[in-house]
Amino acid sequence: GAGVSQSPSNKVTEKGKDVELRCDPISGHTALYWYRQSLGQGLEFLIYFQGNSAPDKSGLPSDRFSAERTGGSVSTLTIQRTQQEDSAVYLCASSLIPRYNEQFFGPGTRLTVL
Amino acid sequence: SQQGEEDPQALSIQEGENATMNCSYKTSINNLQWYRQNSGRGLVHLILIRSNEREKHSGRLRVTLDTSKKSSSLLITASRAADTASYFCATDLQGAQKLVFGQGTRLTINP
Repeated sequence: GAGVSQSPSNKVTEKGKDVELRCDPISGHTALYWYRQSLGQGLEFLIYFQGNSAPDKSGLPSDRFSAERTGGSVSTLTIQRTQQEDSAVYLCASSLIPRYNEQFFGPGTRLTVL
Repeated sequence: SQQGEEDPQALSIQEGENATMNCSYKTSINNLQWYRQNSGRGLVHLILIRSNEREKHSGRLRVTLDTSKKSSSLLITASRAADTASYFCATDLQGAQKLVFGQGTRLTINP
């Protein structure tokens, strides 16, 4: 594909359930980022991958949040025991190398926790 | 508070006018980028300015960077209705490997 893709585009879940969000970066992009954006707010950094390793997990809000990346490509963000405050748009971005490069964003996954 | 803070938070102008948005940051940076976001979904990269650059142009966009004041501005000339969006600055911090985004400016262009 030409751009970053994310699935699902929308996810409605009940409080306490686990959810998995998927990101397919642009082929060849070594860096991958996850952000969270609450309604009308800026982007909150969650985690950064370089290849399959995550040098910076500092933005993960709690131990209910985890992410992995396999094969230097697809990444999955998992939220366990979802809470209503987890409702937000989760954005994934990739870049060719971490620095001095623009980030290419996917369309996001809108998560609603009821 | 945020590393990057945009000002104003919201801006409404008439089509054809120029729009200026400002961004301030706190720590030393490698570069600063501006992004646009339509309808609260994916962001689109507009322009990147390196810390050793002072001004950069791309079409109707003009970005300035003043590292002594730790500030940047984005000017959109001859605005169009299609420019209606939220605009974010993002800083690439020295010593870090992530972008830090501001809260954004919501720009509305009235026909």
